[in-house]
Amino acid sequence: NAGVTQTPKFQVLKTGQSMTLQCAQDMNHEYMSWYRQDPGMGLRLIHYSVGAGITDQGEVPNGYNVSRSTTEDFPLRLLSAAPSQTSVYFCASSYTGKHTEAFFGQGTRLTVV
Amino acid sequence: TQLLEQSPQFLSIQEGENLTVYCNSSSVFSSLQWYRQEPGEGPVLLVTVVTGGEVKKLKRLTFQFGDARKDSSLHITAAQPGDTGLYLCAGAQGGSEKLVFGKGTKLTVNP
Repeated sequence: NAGVTQTPKFQVLKTGQSMTLQCAQDMNHEYMSWYRQDPGMGLRLIHYSVGAGITDQGEVPNGYNVSRSTTEDFPLRLLSAAPSQTSVYFCASSYTGKHTEAFFGQGTRLTVV
Repeated sequence: TQLLEQSPQFLSIQEGENLTVYCNSSSVFSSLQWYRQEPGEGPVLLVTVVTGGEVKKLKRLTFQFGDARKDSSLHITAAQPGDTGLYLCAGAQGGSEKLVFGKGTKLTVNP
């Protein structure tokens, strides 16, 4: 019963460094997405994917890249980390179609110094 | 501009009290979902409401979708400390799987 697995759980980066946040799901969900959660801001959509090979931008995509080579994996890449990217990042997956439940990972707490 | 406005932002009550949390928008949604998030965890779905005027009950929690499908409310009866958490509403528009989230209501129920 793994569901959505995110790694790492915590990460500290220096400004300008790059890194990849990993997300994997074992529920054969077509739809996957990345959110960031900041105090008082709720969850904001960064990028999403409706299936392998298809990705699109969300509300706050700048500074982030994604790819979807398999149904299971949806990594989020920070190209050159900035302090403004300090946040908690959540990956979610769901079946496509209306009214479907989003399953979330446990999150990655990222600090950029 | 926040598409979904939640109120109140913070709520601290005593065990046994009742409370209502609101999720409002000027936009129409095909469905609204309520999630609960505990510290250090991802949100977990509580309910999805789809039909205007729909009411769903989950033990002591009652969820309502507005007739015009622009707003929703969550009512908790006789709150318990285990209800403590961040309550998030999320809406889907049209046929999209993309969810728009409100900023959340942080509920603390004191013993």
